[in-house]
Parts: sequence; C-alpha cells; structure tokens
Amino acid sequence: AQSVTQLGSHVSVSEGALVLLRCNYSSSVPPYLFWYVQYPNQGLQLLLKYTTGATLVKGINGFEAEFKKSETSFHLTKPSAHMSDAAEYFCAVSERSGTYKYIFGTGTRLKVLA
Amino acid sequence: KAGVTQTPRYLIKTRGQQVTLSCSPISGHRSVSWYQQTPGQGLQFLFEYFSETQRNKGNFPGRFSGRQFSNSRSEMNVSTLELGDSALYLCASSLETGRTDTQYFGPGTRLTVL
Repeated sequence: AQSVTQLGSHVSVSEGALVLLRCNYSSSVPPYLFWYVQYPNQGLQLLLKYTTGATLVKGINGFEAEFKKSETSFHLTKPSAHMSDAAEYFCAVSERSGTYKYIFGTGTRLKVLA
Repeated sequence: KAGVTQTPRYLIKTRGQQVTLSCSPISGHRSVSWYQQTPGQGLQFLFEYFSETQRNKGNFPGRFSGRQFSNSRSEMNVSTLELGDSALYLCASSLETGRTDTQYFGPGTRLTVL
C-alpha cells in the first residue's frame, strides 16, 4: 500500500524567508502526487500535482515542488514566505484500491512570523 | 463555475442520534468522495461514489453510509452517533475516477457530537 509521510507537523518561517515543507512517499508503482492547502475553516485547495513528465512542478501562489524518485520525495517550496501563506499543507498520493483514492499525509501547519 | 457546496456547514447532535450531510459537486463532475478530518487521525477516506455506485470504501464502521443521486449530488449518513464522530467532514468531487483526476474539495461540514 502507498503511504505519505510529512516531516514536521509545525513549521515556522519569517516573512520573506524560504518555505520548505517535506513530503516523502512510499509506492510500488510510479506515484501521482499532490499538494493541497487548507486555510482555517475552509476545505482543501489544490496547490499543484505531479503525474508524469517534468519533475519540477509549479503551482499557484508561487509554490513549486520537485519529484525526486531516488529520494522518494516531493517537497514543497516557496522562495519568499508571505503572511497569507499561513495555513495547513497536505501532501497526498493517489492509490489504486478498486478505483483511485487519495492517501493524505498528516499535514504541516505553516506559521509565518512578521 | 460554482465550486463544491456542502450543507449544513455546522451541526450539533447528541450521542445516539443520526445525521445526514449533503454535498453538491461541481457541475459535470461524476465522482464524489467523502473524508473525515480530525486532529488525531488527520484526513481519512470514507467512501467514493461514481454514477450512483459506491466504488470504494475506507475502513469505517457500517454506521457510516452514503449514496449518490442521478444528478451526482451525494449524501452521507451517520447513525447512532458517538462522541468520536465529531469531525470536519469533507466532500470532494472530480470529473472521473482516474488516477490523475484532481479532487476539488468543499468547505466541509463541522459535526459536533455532545
């Protein structure tokens, strides 16, 4: 079965600093990977996804992620944090079990310090 | 295009009662998935419906059930509520059930069981 591990349940960065949120996956087949963001009292919004092709994926709000097969990683980055980036971020892998379903990581709460 | 809508947004019930939550997917989307989100367990997959048929089911007791109507709208029902059922219930829709299909989430229904 596939799984996702997000290292660090809480991450704090200063405004303007680099954001790095870590995600490692376990999969016996080529994974399809997703990053979602959840703002307080809201649902999840897709930031970006990797299916095939280019391993560096650009998403919304200046975020990007790089698929590294050798490291089984799909870390999320943003060069310069903004106060509005404060939210919870979820990494997910698409797993086939009957049809396809998402397996989510436990989430990383990002805090941006002024 | 309107997003995924969920009603009600907030619900308070007492133990032993039952509850029905509703989800209207994005127009044209035929797949609806349900997730339970709690601080302790994170996001857990409940079930998925596609063309009025349950295609996939997570590891939840039979008290949790759902259905999908011909217009793709979906409902989930929880009977004999327990305190541990307090959670944010998220609905997500996608065009199909393919591995790369992006799931679009609604804002969720926050259920509190007293």
